[in-house]
Amino acid sequence: DTAVSQTPKYLVTQMGNDKSIKCEQNLGHDTMYWYKQDSKKFLKIMFSYNNKELIINETVPNRFSPKSPDKAHLNLHINSLELGDSAVYFCASSETSGGGDTQYFGPGTRLTVL
Amino acid sequence: AQSVTQLDSHVSVSEGTPVLLRCNYSSSYSPSLFWYVQHPNKGLQLLLKYTSAATLVKGINGFEAEFKKSETSFHLTKPSAHMSDAAEYFCVVSSRPYSGGGADGLTFGKGTHLIIQP
Repeated sequence: DTAVSQTPKYLVTQMGNDKSIKCEQNLGHDTMYWYKQDSKKFLKIMFSYNNKELIINETVPNRFSPKSPDKAHLNLHINSLELGDSAVYFCASSETSGGGDTQYFGPGTRLTVL
Repeated sequence: AQSVTQLDSHVSVSEGTPVLLRCNYSSSYSPSLFWYVQHPNKGLQLLLKYTSAATLVKGINGFEAEFKKSETSFHLTKPSAHMSDAAEYFCVVSSRPYSGGGADGLTFGKGTHLIIQP
């Protein structure tokens, strides 16, 4: 009955590979997000997405692309992985895209690029 | 534009003593403010949030925070620390009005690592 789930929990891969991280929420929320947490634990938003629009943080390389097959899922695809992509990636969801809405976070996916 | 400054990267207190984690923010709009906690190797959990209702907000596990507009602060407190409170705490600001969303809606502080001494 996990509210926001992510798979896999750990992902170890070689530079240059393409990988995906899956996210699912069972809260019936309209908006989902991806965040990146770096080695100093700093969290930065990468994308927000609802059934109307995708908003991309302009600092995110275009090797990263979110894909949403339906309202409950927002997967993250990463092409041509680089060493600097190593981080913990968190998925989150909120009821709407309103600024005061609580965001519910998944457990995170630790990506290690060798 | 919005920003969050957590004034201490590390705070160490003895078990049973009060906890104070400091946060200052800046925002172009009336902000919503949040405190999230992250235990080691876990996701983020909401402790409490302020959205322009009462300025003193009570959260889970005995934590509370007071919104002070004149000081642009939203400090987190707890009267008596417990060993299970040891974690990373994030102050978060959201300035986006309810009418829209966006990738810049949430800005996280750099976190405060809370250490509880036995």
